[in-house]
Amino acid sequence: AQSVTQLDSHVSVSEGTPVLLRCNYSSSYSPSLFWYVQHPNKGLQLLLKYTSAATLVKGINGFEAEFKKSETSFHLTKPSAHMSDAAEYFCVVAGGTSYGKLTFGQGTILTVHP
Amino acid sequence: DTAVSQTPKYLVTQMGNDKSIKCEQNLGHDTMYWYKQDSKKFLKIMFSYNNKELIINETVPNRFSPKSPDKAHLNLHINSLELGDSAVYFCASSLRDAEQYFGPGTRLTVT
Repeated sequence: AQSVTQLDSHVSVSEGTPVLLRCNYSSSYSPSLFWYVQHPNKGLQLLLKYTSAATLVKGINGFEAEFKKSETSFHLTKPSAHMSDAAEYFCVVAGGTSYGKLTFGQGTILTVHP
Repeated sequence: DTAVSQTPKYLVTQMGNDKSIKCEQNLGHDTMYWYKQDSKKFLKIMFSYNNKELIINETVPNRFSPKSPDKAHLNLHINSLELGDSAVYFCASSLRDAEQYFGPGTRLTVT
């Protein structure tokens, strides 16, 4: 079985300050981990993915995530928030016996203030 | 070019009706999925097809029936619609079990 917990339902930052969105996972197998972003009334866009290569993963739009097996975490960071980063972010785990099955976290809404 | 497309974007219908949502991908992927996003934005997989074969079938009422005429298409047919079926339905595709690419979603409202 696999599960994902996003530790914050809402995160609010000022433009130009760092962003940290926290995610913990549980998986019986070596997981693949993803972060997706959903802007209002839009589909989901893949930000980045971890698939057992480098533990520090770089994604689009300046986002990064670090896989820490000892902490079962996959937190998403960005050094400097932009107004366009305001959206909902989903941490996702895949793997195990169900081919292609993604398990989504509850989502974190990121608000960016001017 | 649209990678994963869905039609319609919005669907408003009455209880008891039957409706279909269509999905097409032009990425050359061999696996397609249907997800349901509820009012709290929680996403849950419903079905998955690999090369036209059903491989994931979560606990979904049998009023929902997916159909995959070929690898590029996965349609979702819903019979006897209920109020609780109101949600946003997302189609996605992938190459085997690699990262998935999502469509823009279909907002279904049942009145």
